[in-house]
Formats: sequence, structure tokens, C-alpha cells
Amino acid sequence: DIQMTQSPSTLSASVGDRVTITCRASQRISSLLAWYQQKPGKAPKLLIYDASSLQSGVPSRFSGSGSGTDFTLTISSLQPDDFATYYCQQYDTYGAWTFGQGTKVEI
Amino acid sequence: QVQLVESGGGVVQPERSLRLSCAASGFTFRNYAMHWVRQAPGKGLEWVAAISYSGSDKYYADSVKGRFTFSRDNSKNTLYLQMDSLRPEDTAVYYCVRAKLGARSFDSWGQGTLVTVSS
Repeated sequence: DIQMTQSPSTLSASVGDRVTITCRASQRISSLLAWYQQKPGKAPKLLIYDASSLQSGVPSRFSGSGSGTDFTLTISSLQPDDFATYYCQQYDTYGAWTFGQGTKVEI
Repeated sequence: QVQLVESGGGVVQPERSLRLSCAASGFTFRNYAMHWVRQAPGKGLEWVAAISYSGSDKYYADSVKGRFTFSRDNSKNTLYLQMDSLRPEDTAVYYCVRAKLGARSFDSWGQGTLVTVSS
């Protein structure tokens, strides 16, 4: 199975900061990668799909980039509502979707 | 709007069975592949199983293969996850999830149902 490794595991930031989260795949996955946001006690929410496509309704301060094995999620100006845990997910291998371990963005 | 409502969770002893259901509404259910994703307490997300829009193709994580069975009834807009031979490590919140059309990411999630496997 393809392993997904996120860094950092925890990130401390302030409102207004530019934040970058990295996700690395154990093998090439083209651009078949998504990013999700999860708040405590809630279901995850899709932010980015196909590495760089913004899901409908998601604020434009979120962006994704990368291809092959290295990907990033960037929040251009962190807002109070953005403090959450973020997960990457690969879907290159049909039948074996895998998530990263998560990155917690805290104050 | 899209709604996915899971039910059937609870406390069950090891080696027993449980069946989860997911009622879908607000979209053309028969057109979408669907998934189950779980999250153990305080842990990350783990994909569990997938089913094609017709129900003809099914995929399972190695951790549940041979023990869990995923099915759907397109006439009732409902998914089912039959979980047999449950283990303590199956304890998690189970989410019913819709696959995004034209992509394989997950664009709609239910609120989740908690399964606790304990003696």
C-alpha cells in the first residue's frame, strides 16, 4: 500500500499567518491527492481534490500544489475558523485509499 | 442538500457481529460510489471499504477483509456494513462517505456512528 506521511504533526500559528503543510507519498501518485479539514467531534470536510482543485464553497485562502510524491496545502492567511486537524489522502490506487496521519494546527 | 445518516452503532462484545446502516438523501444515490471510513478514538482516519454505484464492485482494507461486508440497496437509498468477528481494534467512529463524481476523493460525510468492541 502507498504510505502517506504528513509534516509537521503539530503546527503552532497565529491568525494572519501563512501556513504550509506537507504530504509525501511513498511512491508516485500523479495528482490523485485530496486534503480534508476536521474539527473536534465533527466529520472531515473536503478542501482540495486532484492536488490543486478547490472544492466548491471552500474559501480561496486554501490552496494545494504538487504532483508525483510531494504535495502541500497552504493557508494564505490563517483565520480563527481554520484551527483544526488536516489530513491528506491518496486515491491513486483504486481499492486502497490511504490517509496521512494528520496535522493539527493550533494557536 | 446531501444527507448521510448512519445508524446501528453501539457496544458489542469481541467476536460478535453488528450491522451499520447509512440512509442517503438529497442526491441521486444510484449514481455514486460510496465508502466507509473509520476513526479510532483520538486517532487518524482509516479507509475501510468501498462499493461501486451499482454494487457490483467492492473493495476492503486488509484490516477488515473477510470480516466486513459492504452492500447497498439503491431502491432504498441505503448502505449497509455487516461487521462480523469484531475485535477491540475495530472500536471507532464509522463514517458513511460519498465519492465525488469524476474524482475519487470524498465530498460528503455523515456525522458518524460509534462502534465500541469491548467485553
